[in-house]
Amino acid sequence: EIVLTQSPGTLSFSPGERATLSCRASESVSANYVAWYQQRPGQAPRLLIYNGFIRATGIPDRFSASGSGTDFTLTINRLESEDFAVYHCQQYGSTPLTFGGGTKVDIK
Amino acid sequence: QLQLQESGPGLVKPSETLSLTCSVSGGSIRRTTDYWGWIRQPPGKGLDWIGSIHYSGRIYDNPSLRSRVTMSVDTSKNVYSLKLTSVTAADTAVYYCVLLSREGRADSWGQGTLVTVSS
Repeated sequence: EIVLTQSPGTLSFSPGERATLSCRASESVSANYVAWYQQRPGQAPRLLIYNGFIRATGIPDRFSASGSGTDFTLTINRLESEDFAVYHCQQYGSTPLTFGGGTKVDIK
Repeated sequence: QLQLQESGPGLVKPSETLSLTCSVSGGSIRRTTDYWGWIRQPPGKGLDWIGSIHYSGRIYDNPSLRSRVTMSVDTSKNVYSLKLTSVTAADTAVYYCVLLSREGRADSWGQGTLVTVSS
């Protein structure tokens, strides 16, 4: 199975800053089938990005993502208060579907 | 708008069977290209995919849980279900029912239900 590593586990930023989150796969992800999810406290995750870089419906354009092969990145420009949350990456290029351990973005 | 809602006991004894149902509203469970799935999240930890089922009955599951998992779909009631046998404390988690694309991304999520395994 493909193991996804998200490090560090926590990143601290001030509102208005740019956050760059990393997701590294143990082997190449087929078709760059990587998704990113946002999970606010006490809530279910919600899809932000799929196929490596495509924003899901209703996701603001301050969220962007890139990457290929084994290295993928989520960037959040101009952090707003609602963006402080946990972000999970997922690969769906092969089964079993797997997730990274998550990166918490908290307020500095 | 499609909505998913999990239901089932919040407390299960060790060695017994965890049973959950996901009710789908706002759309039909007979979606030709999508799958219905289960993802769980132990307290304070990351997400684990349990398995996915198509309304036709085709199943993809996680080998790590395969021997203990049964999934089914009831198209007449627009629901699908999960059974996990021989549970232990390690199965304590929030269980989410999800709508997955054919490729495997989770497009929609239920609110989740906490299942605690304890005597």
